[in-house]
Amino acid sequence: DTGVSQDPRHKITKRGQNVTFRCDPISEHNRLYWYRQTLGQGPEFLTYFQNEAQLEKSRLLSDRFSAERPKGSFSTLEIQRTEQGDSAMYLCASTRAGAPEAFFGQGTRLTVV
Amino acid sequence: DQQVKQNSPSLSVQEGRISILNCDYTNSMFDYFLWYKKYPAEGPTFLISISSIKDKNEDGRFTVFLNKSAKHLSLHIVPSQPGDSAVYFCAAIVSNSGYALNFGKGTSLLVTP
Repeated sequence: DTGVSQDPRHKITKRGQNVTFRCDPISEHNRLYWYRQTLGQGPEFLTYFQNEAQLEKSRLLSDRFSAERPKGSFSTLEIQRTEQGDSAMYLCASTRAGAPEAFFGQGTRLTVV
Repeated sequence: DQQVKQNSPSLSVQEGRISILNCDYTNSMFDYFLWYKKYPAEGPTFLISISSIKDKNEDGRFTVFLNKSAKHLSLHIVPSQPGDSAVYFCAAIVSNSGYALNFGKGTSLLVTP
C-alpha cells in the first residue's frame, strides 16, 4: 500500500499524559499536512511542512502541540499534557509539489480520559 | 469563522436518482475547490476538484459546478448508488498560501435502494 499511513489508529490516554502520533506520507509527496476533526465538524488545519520546513501553523496549534518532519519524510505530532478537549481524530495528508489535491491517511483517533 | 458552509447536514436520495450537494463560501480569495468523501473511521478520500477559472468539471458520475459570482458550488452524482452513502465535505484553498484546505462541516448522504 503506497497511501498515507498513520500510526497508531487509536490512542486512549489519561489527562496530563503526552502522546505522539506518526504519519508516513506518499513517498513522492513533498508537502505534509496535519488536521484535526471533531464530531460534527469538518477537518481543521493545524500545520504543514514542505520537505522538512514547517511553513505554517494554525492558531489552533497551542504551545502544547509540536510537529516535526526531521528528514522531509515521515512526520510526528506530539501533544503534551493532554486535555479532554484534545479528544479528536488527527488526520495527516500529503500532496505533490504544485498539486492541491491532498491525500489523507486513515487518521489517529485520540481519546483523553 | 466558517468560511466554507454546507448548510444541509443530511440528504436522502433514492438509488438511480440525482444527488445534489451544495456548498457556499465567503472568502473571495479562494481559487480552488475540492470535494471529499468520508466513510466512518476512515480519512477523507479525494473525489473531484475545480479551479476558479472553470465553471464545470466532470469525472464519471460526478460533476462539480462553480458559480463564482454567487460564491456557490455543487456536486452532482448521477446516478446515485447505495455505495455513495457517506459524508461529503466541500473544501477550498487559496493557491498561493500553501494549499491548506478549508473544510465545510459536511453533508451526510444516504442513498436508499
